[in-house]
Amino acid sequence: GAGVSQTPSNKVTEKGKYVELRCDPISGHTALYWYRQSLGQGPEFLIYFQGTGAADDSGLPNDRFFAVRPEGSVSTLKIQRTERGDSAVYLCASSSGPAREQFFGPGTRLTVL
Amino acid sequence: TQLLEQSPQFLSIQEGENLTVYCNSSSVFSSLQWYRQEPGEGPVLLVTVVTGGEVKKLKRLTFQFGDARKDSSLHITAAQPGDTGLYLCAGLHQAGTALIFGKGTTLSVSS
Repeated sequence: GAGVSQTPSNKVTEKGKYVELRCDPISGHTALYWYRQSLGQGPEFLIYFQGTGAADDSGLPNDRFFAVRPEGSVSTLKIQRTERGDSAVYLCASSSGPAREQFFGPGTRLTVL
Repeated sequence: TQLLEQSPQFLSIQEGENLTVYCNSSSVFSSLQWYRQEPGEGPVLLVTVVTGGEVKKLKRLTFQFGDARKDSSLHITAAQPGDTGLYLCAGLHQAGTALIFGKGTTLSVSS
């Protein structure tokens, strides 16, 4: 595709449930980033992939959060035992390499009831 | 922790006015980027500044990177309603690859 795509665009779940958020990066981009944006805040870094491996996962808030990128393209962010505080917009970005310009997807708005 | 402080947080002005948004940090960044974000969409890159003292212009928008590469400003001349949105600055630290964002400035331009 022409840009970064994310699915679903909206996800409503109940406290304690498991959710998966998907990101399709720009074709050929080796670097992929996940950010979380709460209301009234700028995006906060979660995890960065270079190829298939997580090069930096220092932004993941706790072990309920996990992300994979098995084939170096599509990535899935997984959240276990969701909590109301996890409600936010989850943004994905990709770039042609580390420290290169990042292009963002439209985000997935997660609401935990 | 490298923080980027943006000011003002909110700005409501009339069409035709000029405005400046500031982005400040105590840390040095290898580059700084400015994004604009509209509701329901991801941030869209406006400009990247790399060199201390650098000035870039994008139509009515002027971006400046501080000499010490710790701060930046965005100046909009003759604002228009189409400029309405959330403006975010983001820094890239020398040793890292993740962007560090400010909280953003919500701009509203009324006609």
